[in-house]
Amino acid sequence: TQLLEQSPQFLSIQEGENLTVYCNSSSVFSSLQWYRQEPGEGPVLLVTVVTGGEVKKLKRLTFQFGDARKDSSLHITAAQPGDTGLYLCAGITNTPLVFGKGTRLSVIA
Amino acid sequence: DAGITQSPRHKVTETGTPVTLRCHQTENHRYMYWYRQDPGHGLRLIHYSYGVKDTDKGEVSDGYSVSRSKTEDFLLTLESATSSQTSVYFCAIRRLVDSPLHFGNGTRLTVT
Repeated sequence: TQLLEQSPQFLSIQEGENLTVYCNSSSVFSSLQWYRQEPGEGPVLLVTVVTGGEVKKLKRLTFQFGDARKDSSLHITAAQPGDTGLYLCAGITNTPLVFGKGTRLSVIA
Repeated sequence: DAGITQSPRHKVTETGTPVTLRCHQTENHRYMYWYRQDPGHGLRLIHYSYGVKDTDKGEVSDGYSVSRSKTEDFLLTLESATSSQTSVYFCAIRRLVDSPLHFGNGTRLTVT
């Protein structure tokens, strides 16, 4: 069974702070996706990273895929209350998506 | 939204009763999935479908069955509900095997 470990599990920060969440595995993935989920809704895709070492930016969010395609990170600059939510990473192989357990982020104004 | 409707959105049922959850899509996507989401466990795959009448088991399939008689509908059935099946159930679709997943808004099921 392929596992994706996300850390930290919970994160509570003040508005304006920076943060990084991690997604690690012993398995190699062809690509990796990050989703964000708000209460009462399903997860929504933020980004897909495909190439080892790839860095993608989405406004204040920076996503990086590890060189060996086993890990990824999400960095948020100057967090805002609207960033609050559950962040999930998901690895793609030739089997259905494997999800991490998520990082629950709370940004306090 | 990607044209996914889950019904019902909420359901309370008693132990031992059968329950069917419905996922309906208007995107004509080939792949459909049922996940359950529980605190401390994240999203876990129950069953998935890669075409009409083509389904396969996920990591937590015991106690669940599925059917897909039409492209647009994917049904999840709990033959005899148990309290351990209290959860939030999400349906997801995607066009290709490496495309992003599009999720419905979930069904909150409580088994008393």
